Amino acid sequence: GAVVSQHPSWVICKSGTSVKIECRSLDFQATTMFWYRQFPKQSLMLMATSNEGSKATYEQGVEKDKFLINHASLTLSTLTVTSAHPEDSSFYICSARQGFYTEAFFGQGTRLTVV
Amino acid sequence: AQSVTQLDSQVPVFEEAPVELRCNYSSSVSVYLFWYVQYPNQGLQLLLKYLSGSTLVKGINGFEAEFNKSQTSFHLRKPSVHISDTAEYFCAVSVEGAQKLVFGQGTRLTINP
Repeated sequence: GAVVSQHPSWVICKSGTSVKIECRSLDFQATTMFWYRQFPKQSLMLMATSNEGSKATYEQGVEKDKFLINHASLTLSTLTVTSAHPEDSSFYICSARQGFYTEAFFGQGTRLTVV
Repeated sequence: AQSVTQLDSQVPVFEEAPVELRCNYSSSVSVYLFWYVQYPNQGLQLLLKYLSGSTLVKGINGFEAEFNKSQTSFHLRKPSVHISDTAEYFCAVSVEGAQKLVFGQGTRLTINP
């Protein structure tokens, strides 16, 4: 299957700083990329959907000013957690789809710990 | 709006026994259905998918699932499990023309020796 690479796989940052997570589709052009947050032993919570060259669509309750998403090209989307706080500590996962009638491919996830 | 229900949060099974993980969805339009597996601290890996055609879908690692439109179900099965199948399994649905996937709550499959 297609490969989605997410970087970094884990990061520890100080409270108040910003962290950027990258999501790349390595061998296909992703028309749509998704960002999820996953709490321990829970399902994936969709944060936002992004299409290349346009603003991301955020799910209800997700702060768009805190979780900045940029989808600069058909192979790269970034999530920036701004002014991170300990409650932002979580497992963040990206995924990409090539179109409506295909499966989504997932990155390896990023474990964010804010201290 | 569509939704997905995984009826069992945890399923313990002995090694080499058969297993069925249940998934039901609700949608008034055509759907595409997926099963993903997640190992600890990793992303999700696609096990199998139903887009159209045969209702019995075979996937990787010996898993299969059957799409049942009348019962709005897409249960995952494996005739004989291995220790390595221990993981979290997620059922997901995508409605025709929609971009995003909707995930079930997940089922933790534990294989006991």
